Amino acid sequence: QSALTQPASVSGSPGQSITISCTGTSSDVGSYNLVSWYQQHPGKAPKLMIYEVSKRPSGVSNRFSGSKSGNTASLTISGLQAEDEADYYCCSYAGSSTFGVFGGGTKLTVL
Amino acid sequence: EVQLVQSGAEVKKPGESLKISCKGSGYSFTSYWIGWVRQMPGKGLEWMGIIYPGDSDTRYSPSFQGQVTISADKSISTAYLQWSSLKASDTAMYYCARLGYSSQFDYWGQGTLVTVSS
Repeated sequence: QSALTQPASVSGSPGQSITISCTGTSSDVGSYNLVSWYQQHPGKAPKLMIYEVSKRPSGVSNRFSGSKSGNTASLTISGLQAEDEADYYCCSYAGSSTFGVFGGGTKLTVL
Repeated sequence: EVQLVQSGAEVKKPGESLKISCKGSGYSFTSYWIGWVRQMPGKGLEWMGIIYPGDSDTRYSPSFQGQVTISADKSISTAYLQWSSLKASDTAMYYCARLGYSSQFDYWGQGTLVTVSS
């Protein structure tokens, strides 16, 4: 099971919007609406930001949104803030035997 | 409040065995899958495997099948990750996390740092 493909890094200025892509295959992202996104600050455990492609857990800012088209899922962060600077990982369900696979991660820099 | 509390950092030598733990509280431990995630130094998250404590059904990522063993003791709401013979390449942070009903890891432990060095 190969990792999902994410850009290594993205950057944006405060107030701007950025989008992080997550490309999988027809066996994972393309087959299930079970994509989740995680934010990880240095030295901290990951935090769930988006699940089921576009749903936000309670307490997560509505500046975070998710979408999917074909084999590619996307995370958009609008109104960038300094605190959004972190690593972001996508994850997709990949069937009942393997269950799940992560993306390689994207480092977001807020300029 | 849902909590996952992991055991403390470990320093081991190559060839030694190890079992780390993850204790759940604040929810029905037997009703959710628990997963283990590896993060090697400076690297990304890797899905290792999951266990359903209700019946001990276990699934492994192909990359970790045969390399580790995942188990659980539902009587004490604790999941485990174990190695029979550690290698230097097992040096990493290991997280446990609860798998929600939409296959999302909704709650995470604080992580257990495993260092394997001669």
